[in-house]
Amino acid sequence: KAGVTQTPRYLIKTRGQQVTLSCSPISGHRSVSWYQQTPGQGLQFLFEYFSETQRNKGNFPGRFSGRQFSNSRSEMNVSTLELGDSALYLCASSPHSEAFVFFGQGTRLTVV
Amino acid sequence: AQSVTQLGSHVSVSEGALVLLRCNYSSSVPPYLFWYVQYPNQGLQLLLKYTTGATLVKGINGFEAEFKKSETSFHLTKPSAHMSDAAEYFCAVYLNGNQFYFGTGTSLTVIP
Repeated sequence: KAGVTQTPRYLIKTRGQQVTLSCSPISGHRSVSWYQQTPGQGLQFLFEYFSETQRNKGNFPGRFSGRQFSNSRSEMNVSTLELGDSALYLCASSPHSEAFVFFGQGTRLTVV
Repeated sequence: AQSVTQLGSHVSVSEGALVLLRCNYSSSVPPYLFWYVQYPNQGLQLLLKYTTGATLVKGINGFEAEFKKSETSFHLTKPSAHMSDAAEYFCAVYLNGNQFYFGTGTSLTVIP
């Protein structure tokens, strides 16, 4: 089975722009979660989707949004980018609510 | 409330020496506990996890961890460090069916 695939791996954007990151979960996995990793804040939970519905949301501003499609693929969008949004964004998938979670390699976003 | 504390942001050991990375958690309910390893510019790779049952859990690459409820700890150990073990290690608690709470990470250096 292919693992969790995140695209692109690296991205450079300018302040004020918006960005969309993509995550393809492991085949058969219906839950997709997103995390932000920064040197200062560590790993922080953004949100989790299950069967196209957002089930849980972390403490991030509304500029951060996501969605999940019927094939379980997920996208994360950040609007009006700020320098502080520079981070490694990790996606994780699991088959259902149990804790069998697998992480992708992440998308490194740099905001300049 | 729930949180994860990793004692020691940096740990150095000699090649062949014992590796001990500490993790304590606070949780109002029995948690699922995980250790992940992260190599530079990579995602998180699962080392081992505790859900239920035997409290001594064996993982990949010779790592193991013991869940001690009385001490609310889940320390990671490896009898003999290898150069390839140098990486960032994260302890995590999985709660509410769909969210990880990560520790701040411990950077392991292996000295030849």
